[in-house]
Amino acid sequence: GAVVSQHPSWVICKSGTSVKIECRSLDFQATTMFWYRQFPKQSLMLMATSNEGSKATYEQGVEKDKFLINHASLTLSTLTVTSAHPEDSSFYICSARDRRTSGRGTYEQYFGPGTRLTVT
Amino acid sequence: DAKTTQPNSMESNEEEPVHLPCNHSTISGTDYIHWYRQLPSQGPEYVIHGLTSNVNNRMASLAIAEDRKSSTLILHRATLRDAAVYYCILRDVPSSNTGKLIFGQGTTLQVKP
Repeated sequence: GAVVSQHPSWVICKSGTSVKIECRSLDFQATTMFWYRQFPKQSLMLMATSNEGSKATYEQGVEKDKFLINHASLTLSTLTVTSAHPEDSSFYICSARDRRTSGRGTYEQYFGPGTRLTVT
Repeated sequence: DAKTTQPNSMESNEEEPVHLPCNHSTISGTDYIHWYRQLPSQGPEYVIHGLTSNVNNRMASLAIAEDRKSSTLILHRATLRDAAVYYCILRDVPSSNTGKLIFGQGTTLQVKP
């Protein structure tokens, strides 16, 4: 099956620093990738939709300048948390849509294993 | 996207069938019903999806009511590895076709040995 990886799997950083999280589709090309975050005991919250070669579309309430998303290739999207603060500590999860399903009415999304960010 | 309602939690015994319900009374004609599950400290995993007809795959079965206002995910023989949060999600197919998934609270399934 399709595999999505994330790196790092966990990271601890100091308040005020920036952290970059990578999301890669390993055996397929992804025209669209999605970024979610999840706080303990809560559901996933969609942050943004990332399309290869274009600007990301952010959900309402998500700060574009704080959560920088780059989708430079069909297999890689990155999320950079800038000037991280303790309230940004969360589980960040990406998902990807297979390019071959573009135009189909419905399809599966493939999720990465998540990155746990702790800001001290 | 139309909303779904699921029980917060359910319990099952190992090797017994599990029926996870989902209500979606405001479903539109173009909404697909998707199920994903999330094991502890992992990303979600696709389980199954359907539109009108019942669906089966190696993981589960999806039974969709005739009026489509509810559906049931069926795990035929629960194992300890099936303990997870199960999400029922309706996804429209808009012209833009971005395909984003909006997660609700899901049902936490506990499986007892």
